[in-house]
Amino acid sequence: NAGVTQTPKFQVLKTGQSMTLQCAQDMNHNSMYWYRQDPGMGLRLIYYSASEGTTDKGEVPNGYNVSRLNKREFSLRLESAAPSQTSVYFCASGRTGEGTEAFFGQGTRLTVV
Amino acid sequence: AQSVAQPEDQVNVAEGNPLTVKCTYSVSGNPYLFWYVQYPNRGLQFLLKYITGDNLVKGSYGFEAEFNKSQTSFHLKKPSALVSDSALYFCAVRGTTGFQKLVFGTGTRLLVSP
Repeated sequence: NAGVTQTPKFQVLKTGQSMTLQCAQDMNHNSMYWYRQDPGMGLRLIYYSASEGTTDKGEVPNGYNVSRLNKREFSLRLESAAPSQTSVYFCASGRTGEGTEAFFGQGTRLTVV
Repeated sequence: AQSVAQPEDQVNVAEGNPLTVKCTYSVSGNPYLFWYVQYPNRGLQFLLKYITGDNLVKGSYGFEAEFNKSQTSFHLKKPSALVSDSALYFCAVRGTTGFQKLVFGTGTRLLVSP
């Protein structure tokens, strides 16, 4: 019963380095999301994918890119990390067009120094 | 565009007392509404949702929420708080027409004292 799996759980990057956060879900969900969580800001949507083959910007997309590799996987890439991208990143998935809840991964804690 | 407001950063309540965590929303048309809980260093766990029908929704761990369309609110409640309920609570909204993204509030920290 894996649900939504994120890797890695922790990462420290130097400013300017790049990395990809991986997310996979095994619930056959159409929609997938990437959020970042910062103190006092709640969860802010970075990018989302309504279905396989589509991606769209959320509230805070600058500095990020995404790939919906297939129905299961949705990755988030930081091309040139900045200290402002220090955050906890959550991936979520859910069914499209229904009142079903989203399911969240355990998060990736990223520190950019 | 949809949005959620959680006006209280923190709610303090004594164990055994009733608790309320407030949420108001804005969305075009009818909403889907959700409450999630987050314990330290964990992901978000689903508590309950409103889709349609009865305005009082019951969820996990004895929590319930009341949907009020005229006040555009969806407050989370529990009749008798437990110390173990101490956590961060998030309200979220999504529109019901077509695909609409899930938008969260800023969260409310609930602190239940013994």
